[in-house]
Amino acid sequence: QKEVEQNSGPLSVPEGAIASLNCTYSDRGSQSFFWYRQYSGKSPELIMSIYSNGDKEDGRFTAQLNKASQYVSLLIRDSQPSDSATYLCAVTQVSGGYNKLIFGAGTRLAVHP
Amino acid sequence: KAGVTQTPRYLIKTRGQQVTLSCSPISGHRSVSWYQQTPGQGLQFLFEYFSETQRNKGNFPGRFSGRQFSNSRSEMNVSTLELGDSALYLCASSTGTETEAFFGQGTRLTVV
Repeated sequence: QKEVEQNSGPLSVPEGAIASLNCTYSDRGSQSFFWYRQYSGKSPELIMSIYSNGDKEDGRFTAQLNKASQYVSLLIRDSQPSDSATYLCAVTQVSGGYNKLIFGAGTRLAVHP
Repeated sequence: KAGVTQTPRYLIKTRGQQVTLSCSPISGHRSVSWYQQTPGQGLQFLFEYFSETQRNKGNFPGRFSGRQFSNSRSEMNVSTLELGDSALYLCASSTGTETEAFFGQGTRLTVV
């Protein structure tokens, strides 16, 4: 079982729709959760962080966390073609007494006009 | 505030050579993590340094090593390069490992 799992996609949505990206993780001890956006040929850019169960909203983005189900999601409302990118889910994992950030393989999102 | 700076941006090396990559974190950040990104494997954790100490290491051979200086700048070294080491190497800086991490632009290494 992979430590952080994401559907590779591509997830194709029309402009203006809601894009829903999902992520599951294996370590029940994980405490911090992040979503990064990566455009082709660029480095990952942090777009959301979430630390407690529930929803966290920032502009068009909403992150959702359910620790009991070991599930994190990212909703993008009013999707734009400029949102087309790979979205990486990252989770902290305890190792040797310290945390390290583990990434999923990413979900490719394509927003078409 | 300046972001994370990685140098060089691009490198071409020959099999068997060694390479050193540099990362300057955001001012005030003491944690630097290194990742290797390839199309097939995604982002793989290499190691993490905090205040000059390696706190975590991923599952990479000993050819991959790193260090961190007192000013928090970090370097990673790959010795005896193999073709499979061709990748984008990314460093991420943060105040600590539970907090938000910010990436540099990466160093694209090509081994021929």
